[in-house]
Amino acid sequence: AQSVTQLGSHVSVSEGALVLLRCNYSSSVPPYLFWYVQYPNQGLQLLLKYTSAATLVKGINGFEAEFKKSETSFHLTKPSAHMSDAAEYFCAVRNPLGAGSYQLTFGKGTKLSVIP
Amino acid sequence: DAGVIQSPRHEVTEMGQEVTLRCKPISGHNSLFWYRQTMMRGLELLIYFNNNVPIDDSGMPEDRFSAKMPNASFSTLKIQPSEPRDSAVYFCASSLGDSEADTQYFGPGTRLTVL
Repeated sequence: AQSVTQLGSHVSVSEGALVLLRCNYSSSVPPYLFWYVQYPNQGLQLLLKYTSAATLVKGINGFEAEFKKSETSFHLTKPSAHMSDAAEYFCAVRNPLGAGSYQLTFGKGTKLSVIP
Repeated sequence: DAGVIQSPRHEVTEMGQEVTLRCKPISGHNSLFWYRQTMMRGLELLIYFNNNVPIDDSGMPEDRFSAKMPNASFSTLKIQPSEPRDSAVYFCASSLGDSEADTQYFGPGTRLTVL
């Protein structure tokens, strides 16, 4: 079975500071990994995804994430936080092989606050 | 494209009442997913349709929940009778296919409150 752990349910950063949101996964096979963002009262929007090509993945809004197999991690970063980045972020894993490969397993989410 | 459309956006009902949530997937997408989001359990997959056929309903909590997809452009999730513990945000998502790389696009959700 696959699972995702997001460290820190709430992260606060100052505007202009580095954003680092942590995600560790557990999977029996090399997984596909996703980061989604949820703004208040909205659905989830895909930020970026890793599908076994380049290990450093660039997404929308200046975010990027690096797949590190040795650490089973897929942390999300942004060099400089903007007020508009305040939202909840979800890491998700997908097993690309076999039955159930459609299924996304989500982490509990990390709420990002940006302090002016 | 309009994206995934869900209605209603908010629903307040009393325990025991029937609730029907509606979803229109993105045109051309042949996979549709219903999720439930709660503080306690996070995001959970309830049911997955491919080409209008239910493939996996193992996440449906109990017989009070049912879902249909009569055609490629419409799906419903029904709760009958509703209970206060069903209060949650229900999301519909669609994707082009069910391959591992296909992105799931989420609707804005329906916030259900059962009193």
